[in-house]
Amino acid sequence: DARVTQTPRHKVTEMGQEVTMRCQPILGHNTVFWYRQTMMQGLELLAYFRNRAPLDDSGMPKDRFSAEMPDATLATLKIQPSEPRDSAVYFCASGRVGQPQHFGDGTRLSIL
Amino acid sequence: RKEVEQDPGPFNVPEGATVAFNCTYSNSASQSFFWYRQDCRKEPKLLMSVYSSGNEDGRFTAQLNRASQYISLLIRDSKLSDSATYLCVVRVNQGGKLIFGQGTELSVKP
Repeated sequence: DARVTQTPRHKVTEMGQEVTMRCQPILGHNTVFWYRQTMMQGLELLAYFRNRAPLDDSGMPKDRFSAEMPDATLATLKIQPSEPRDSAVYFCASGRVGQPQHFGDGTRLSIL
Repeated sequence: RKEVEQDPGPFNVPEGATVAFNCTYSNSASQSFFWYRQDCRKEPKLLMSVYSSGNEDGRFTAQLNRASQYISLLIRDSKLSDSATYLCVVRVNQGGKLIFGQGTELSVKP
């Protein structure tokens, strides 16, 4: 079965450091989503892309977060500088218009 | 008010029981509806889409009431392996973002 691949699976770093999370969407999927999950807020959309163009990043703190799709096989989410409140599980999902989204295993991020 | 609301539970039921989860959504323009399942420390996985006419997949039955903006999931003959968090999910337009409820935790006991 094709899967969305996320790296790293776990990341622990100190506040102030840059964090880069990567996602390889399923081949043929033209829409890529970044979600964040915390106990308090649940699953929230940060940003999403269609055909590599950003469509909505209203859920993302613009001062420290950035999301890009350098090519169709790679999406990145960066946090700089990181803060303890950014600690969460970050999920990438991909899909096609009108089809359900498929999630990656997530990156578990801890900012000390 | 959250866009998608669910009873967080937990629901603790014995094996073989029938359990029902409810969900309401606030945006009447919502077009697509889903139930996702999430196991502890895992990614959400699509359980089933929800159609206006209602749909069934084995022991699982989903219903949608657009007038009341209400979605339900019924699990019959529950198994230990059904223990998970069930997420009610709404999408406003095709290909758009998913809006998740907080999830309802289910624990099925022997």
